[in-house]
Amino acid sequence: DVVLTQTPPTLSATIGQSVSISCRSSQSLLHSNGNTYLNWLLQRPGQPPQLLIYLVSRLESGVPNRFSGSGSGTDFTLKISGVEAEDLGVYYCVQSTHAPWTFGGGTKLELK
Amino acid sequence: QVQLKESGPGLVKPSETLSLTCTVSGFSLTSYHVSWVRQPPGKGLEWMGVIWGDGSTAYNSALKSRLSISRDTSKSQVFLKMSSLKTEDTATYYCAGILRYWGQGVMVTVSS
Repeated sequence: DVVLTQTPPTLSATIGQSVSISCRSSQSLLHSNGNTYLNWLLQRPGQPPQLLIYLVSRLESGVPNRFSGSGSGTDFTLKISGVEAEDLGVYYCVQSTHAPWTFGGGTKLELK
Repeated sequence: QVQLKESGPGLVKPSETLSLTCTVSGFSLTSYHVSWVRQPPGKGLEWMGVIWGDGSTAYNSALKSRLSISRDTSKSQVFLKMSSLKTEDTATYYCAGILRYWGQGVMVTVSS
């Protein structure tokens, strides 16, 4: 099974600060069809997860453009350019290239 | 408007079988996949399995021997059945359509 390793596990930020979260895969997430099925989710406290980014860098509809995704192969990054209070919660990367799909362990973003 | 809603018992005894239903609206089960994801209290997300638009399935390796996902397209429902429940199966169970649309989740406690 693919193992996704997220770092850091916890991130403390001030409002307006830019932060990055890393997601590293134990094997390439490039599918034979040429797509890379690496997604980012945010789970706010007490809420179900919501999709932020899919296919590495495509912004989900309605998600602010301060969120961006990048990477290829086995190394991926989620960047938030100017944290806002509503961004607090736990971020997960999830791969759907290889069955079984797998989640990263999560990164908790909290206010400093 | 797409909606997914999980339903099922809140309390199940150890060794029994859990049956959950995900009722979908505004979303074609024959066109898009639906996953089940669970989250133990205070812990991260765990992908359980998926049923694709063509009805094929894939499962988490660790749960495969106990888990079954099926659907009734005429009722727009997806089903999860997991046997031989243990206390560590206590979690909130979510269904998710193409990882974009999520239900609110149903909390299931496994206890005698």
